[in-house]
Amino acid sequence: AQSVTQLDSQVPVFEEAPVELRCNYSSSVSVYLFWYVQYPNQGLQLLLKYLSGSTLVKGINGFEAEFNKSQTSFHLRKPSVHISDTAEYFCAVKGGNFNKFYFGSGTKLNVKP
Amino acid sequence: DGGITQSPKYLFRKEGQNVTLSCEQNLNHDAMYWYRQDPGQGLRLIYYSQIVNDFQKGDIAEGYSVSREKKESFPLTVTSAQKNPTAFYLCASSTLAGGTDTQYFGPGTRLTVL
Repeated sequence: AQSVTQLDSQVPVFEEAPVELRCNYSSSVSVYLFWYVQYPNQGLQLLLKYLSGSTLVKGINGFEAEFNKSQTSFHLRKPSVHISDTAEYFCAVKGGNFNKFYFGSGTKLNVKP
Repeated sequence: DGGITQSPKYLFRKEGQNVTLSCEQNLNHDAMYWYRQDPGQGLRLIYYSQIVNDFQKGDIAEGYSVSREKKESFPLTVTSAQKNPTAFYLCASSTLAGGTDTQYFGPGTRLTVL
């Protein structure tokens, strides 16, 4: 069975600073990895996904993530954040049976002016 | 525009009442899902369906029921048997084109039990 751990429940950061949101997963099979963003009282929007190929994945809004198989990690990064990036970010893994996704508990990114 | 719609956006229920949350998609996706979101717990899978007239329980199906009579629609009923139904409910859909499918989400329904 798969599981996802997001190590930080909240990450405060100043505007224009870099940020990294951490995600680790456990799986005995090949996986597909995703990052979603959720703004207050809204659904989840796909930021980026890793399916195969290059381990560095670029997504929307200037975010990128790197798949590290040996460390079973898929950390999300942005070199310079904006106030509008304030939201909750979810890491998810899919593998094995059917299309079942396993979500982390989320990381709230709070960008301060 | 293609997408997933959920209604209503906010829903209030008295204890002991059943309520039904609507989810419709026009993406021509085969699979649909219902998740429950509670603060600090991420998303938990309630039910999912891969094809019309078929659905499977997820991790927290007790107190919920679903139907899939049409490809576009996957309504969720929260029954009086659900002991703690106050939560944010999210519907999602995906294709079934192998393991690389992405789930796309609706805007959610916030259910509050009074």
